[in-house]
Amino acid sequence: AQSVTQLGSHVSVSEGALVLLRCNYSSSVPPYLFWYVQYPNQGLQLLLKYTSAATLVKGINGFEAEFKKSETSFHLTKPSAHMSDAAEYFCAVSGTSYDKVIFGPGTSLSVIP
Amino acid sequence: GAGVSQSPRYKVTKRGQDVALRCDPISGHVSLYWYRQALGQGPEFLTYFNYEAQQDKSGLPNDRFSAERPEGSISTLTIQRTEQRDSAMYRCASSSRDRSSGANVLTFGAGSRLTVL
Repeated sequence: AQSVTQLGSHVSVSEGALVLLRCNYSSSVPPYLFWYVQYPNQGLQLLLKYTSAATLVKGINGFEAEFKKSETSFHLTKPSAHMSDAAEYFCAVSGTSYDKVIFGPGTSLSVIP
Repeated sequence: GAGVSQSPRYKVTKRGQDVALRCDPISGHVSLYWYRQALGQGPEFLTYFNYEAQQDKSGLPNDRFSAERPEGSISTLTIQRTEQRDSAMYRCASSSRDRSSGANVLTFGAGSRLTVL
C-alpha cells in the first residue's frame, strides 16, 4: 500500500526566498511520485513527476523536486518565491502505472511581499 | 473532449435524497478516478476504473456510495440517502500513461460541489 505525509500544513516565505515543501512517502514497490498545485478556487494541475529516469526532476514555474530513496522523500523546492506561487501543494504517490494515486494532505504556501 | 467535464458544478440537496454526479473524461483516457476533497484537505481517494472495470473501491465510505463506468467512458458517482457529512467537493480525474515512463498522470475536472442540507 502507498501513503504520503507532508510535514507542515502551512508554510510562509518572503518573496524571493527559498521555497521548501516536504513530502515523505511509503510504498511497497518502486513508486511514481507527483506534485500537484491547486490555486484558489481552481482544480489540481500537475507540477512535476518522478518516474525513475532521474532523481532530480524539474517542473513548471521553476519548481523542482529530488527523489531520495534512502530518506523516502520527494521534497519540492524553488530558489526564489513569487507572489504567484501562493497556492495549495499536494504530493502524491502511485505504485504502478495502473495503480491508484494517493494524495497527501497538502501544504498551503503563502508568499509575503 | 478537450478536458475532464463534471456535472453538475453545484448541487444542493436535502438530507435523504439521492444524488448522481457525472464525469466525462478526456477522450481515449483509460483510467478514471473519483476523489472527495474537503475544504483545506487533500483529495481523498474513493474509487477508480480501468476501462469499464472498477479496479478499486476501497475508498468508498460506505454502501451508500457507488460508481459505474458502463462503456468505459462516462462515469457516474451515486450517493444514496445523502447525509450532511457527505457535503464536499467531488473531483473526477482521467489518466493517460506518460509515453516514456508509463507514469499515471491525472487530469482533473473542475469538480462538483455537493451541499446536503
